[in-house]
Amino acid sequence: ETGVTQSPTHLIKTRGQQVTLRCSSQSGHNTVSWYQQALGQGPQFIFQYYREEENGRGNFPPRFSGLQFPNYSSELNVNALELDDSALYLCASSLRSRNEQFFGPGTRLTVL
Amino acid sequence: GQQLNQSPQSMFIQEGEDVSMNCTSSSIFNTWLWYKQDPGEGPVLLIALYKAGELTSNGRLTAQFGITRKDSFLNISASIPSDVGIYFCAGQLSGAGGTSYGKLTFGQGTILTVHP
Repeated sequence: ETGVTQSPTHLIKTRGQQVTLRCSSQSGHNTVSWYQQALGQGPQFIFQYYREEENGRGNFPPRFSGLQFPNYSSELNVNALELDDSALYLCASSLRSRNEQFFGPGTRLTVL
Repeated sequence: GQQLNQSPQSMFIQEGEDVSMNCTSSSIFNTWLWYKQDPGEGPVLLIALYKAGELTSNGRLTAQFGITRKDSFLNISASIPSDVGIYFCAGQLSGAGGTSYGKLTFGQGTILTVHP
C-alpha cells in the first residue's frame, strides 16, 4: 500500500510569486485535505476535495485554491505569495466515510 | 475559529516514566484523533476515537474520548527514547453538517522529551 506523497519537498519563492504544490493520495482514498502548519503551531485546515470539488474550506483567502484529479491526486495553488505564507504545507488523504486522515511528509515553503 | 486547548505544552521525563496529556474544548466533537509528528515530517496517526467514553489502546498508548465529548486524553506508559516528538490532538466538530466534514481542528501540540 502506497502512502501519501507530496512534491516538492522544499521550495523557496519571493513575495508576489505563485506556487503549486502536489499531493498523491494513499491507495484507495478518495478525499484529500490540505493544511498549513506554521512553525510551532498545529496544522490549520485550508480546504478539502472530494469528487474533484471543494468540500469545505477553512479561514483562508481566495488566493489559496486547489484541484483534485480523477485519480484523486491534488494540487494546492497559492497566488500573490506573502511572507506569512511561509510554512509547512501538509496534504492528508482519507475515505469520504471516515474521519481518519493520513498525512504526507509535507512541503516546506519559504517566501522571501 | 474553534480551538483545542492542549496541555501541557512540553514535558521532560526520564525513560520508563508514564506520560499523560490532554485536550479540552468548549465545543462538542464527534471524533478525536491523536497524532505524533517528528521534525521535518508529517503527523502520524496514533489512535482514533469515535464514541463518548471510548477507551482505545495501541501498544503502550491509551487514549480516551471524554464523556462530555469536549475532551480527550492520551497516556504513554513506560516511555522510551523514540517517543520523543510533538503530540497533537485533533477533533472533528459535531453537528456542523457536510460543510465541515473531514475538517480537523488541531491543538497546539505537546513537545515530549525523554531522557535516557
